[in-house]
Amino acid sequence: DIQLTQSPSSLSASVGDSVTLTCRASQSVTKFLNWYQHKPGAAPRLLIYGPHTLEIGVPARFSGSGSGTEFTLTISGLQPEDFATYYCQESDSPSFGGGTKVEIK
Amino acid sequence: QVQLVQSGGEVRKPGSSVKVSCKASGGTFNNYGFSWVRQAPGQGLEWMGGVFVLFGTTTYAQKFQGRVTISADASTTTTYMELRSLTFDDTAVYYCARERMAGIYAPWGQGTLVTVSS
Repeated sequence: DIQLTQSPSSLSASVGDSVTLTCRASQSVTKFLNWYQHKPGAAPRLLIYGPHTLEIGVPARFSGSGSGTEFTLTISGLQPEDFATYYCQESDSPSFGGGTKVEIK
Repeated sequence: QVQLVQSGGEVRKPGSSVKVSCKASGGTFNNYGFSWVRQAPGQGLEWMGGVFVLFGTTTYAQKFQGRVTISADASTTTTYMELRSLTFDDTAVYYCARERMAGIYAPWGQGTLVTVSS
């Protein structure tokens, strides 16, 4: 199975900042690499799949890129509602990364 | 718009079993797969397994093989996850999710807290 390692495990940022989250795979991803947002007490939400196709209804400040073993999720201009934990997920295994918690500075 | 509504929280003793349900509404049911993912306290998301409704085929994470059964009932558009031989480590929030295609999960249910306590 592919192992996914996310970095950093947590970060602090201010509203308006741009942040980049990284997901590294133990071997090349041959199917889809997807990103989910998870807030406490809520259901996880699909943000990006493929790895750069935005889910319907997701703001354009979210973007995904990458291929092979390295992928990134960028949030351009953090909004208060964006503070959450973000997980990458690979479609074949299908395993999840350990998550990156984005906190308010 | 597809919605997944899960059954309520459960408390079980070690060694017992739990069965959680997930009812889908607002879309077709038979043409999709449904997976179960759990989150233990302070931990990340962990895929447990899934069922493809049309053929009734199931796949399970190796960690849960032999201890979990995932099923689907097309007549009630409901999927189920049964976990047996519970231990304290099984205390977690359990989510169902529709597999839109090829391991992409959306939407998700609201989660069901299963607490294993003596």
